[in-house]
Amino acid sequence: DIVMTQSPDSLAASLGERATISCRSSQNVYYSPSNKNYLAWYQQKPGHPPKLLVYWASTRESGVPDRFSGSGSGTDFTLTISSLQAEDVAVYYCQQYYSTPPTFGQGTKLEIK
Amino acid sequence: EVQLLESGGGVEPPGGSLRLTCAASGFTFSSYAMSWVRQAPGKGLEWVAAISSSGGSTFYADSVKGRFTISRDNFQNTLYVEMNGLRAEDTAVYYCVTETLSYVAGYWGQGTLVIVSS
Repeated sequence: DIVMTQSPDSLAASLGERATISCRSSQNVYYSPSNKNYLAWYQQKPGHPPKLLVYWASTRESGVPDRFSGSGSGTDFTLTISSLQAEDVAVYYCQQYYSTPPTFGQGTKLEIK
Repeated sequence: EVQLLESGGGVEPPGGSLRLTCAASGFTFSSYAMSWVRQAPGKGLEWVAAISSSGGSTFYADSVKGRFTISRDNFQNTLYVEMNGLRAEDTAVYYCVTETLSYVAGYWGQGTLVIVSS
């Protein structure tokens, strides 16, 4: 199984500040014939189900604010929130869908400082 | 609007059985693969089972293989998971999800809580 490791486990940032979450996969999730990284990001607010934010490592899901951006390739990926808003308080998960079983990172809890 | 409504959760003793149901609406159910993803209390996410749009292909996590059976009814727009031989470690909120890409959970239900306890 591909192991997904996120860092940090928790993060506190000020409103308007940039927040960065890292995700590392134990194996390459880039598939060269399609030139795509099989990596998604989800946001889970307290008491709610997760919500898809980004897929193919950098494609924002429809309706997701453009302050959220994904980057990276191969085994190292980043979710960046360019200007933190109060409503961004949540746990963020990365997930690989390169191979079965699809696996998630352990989550990064983002709070307001 | 896509809606996924799970039901069937509850409290079962170890070794017991439950059937979870997910009623889908707001999209062409028969065109999408569907899955169950679970989250133990205070823990992370685990992809439990998946089924292709036609129902002809399934996937199970090793942790549930041989105990859980995923199925779907494309006429009733409904997804199921039959859970047998329940264990304490199966305690979780079970989410029904729509795979908008293969193994990408584009839509999530609100979840149904399963508690396995004597």
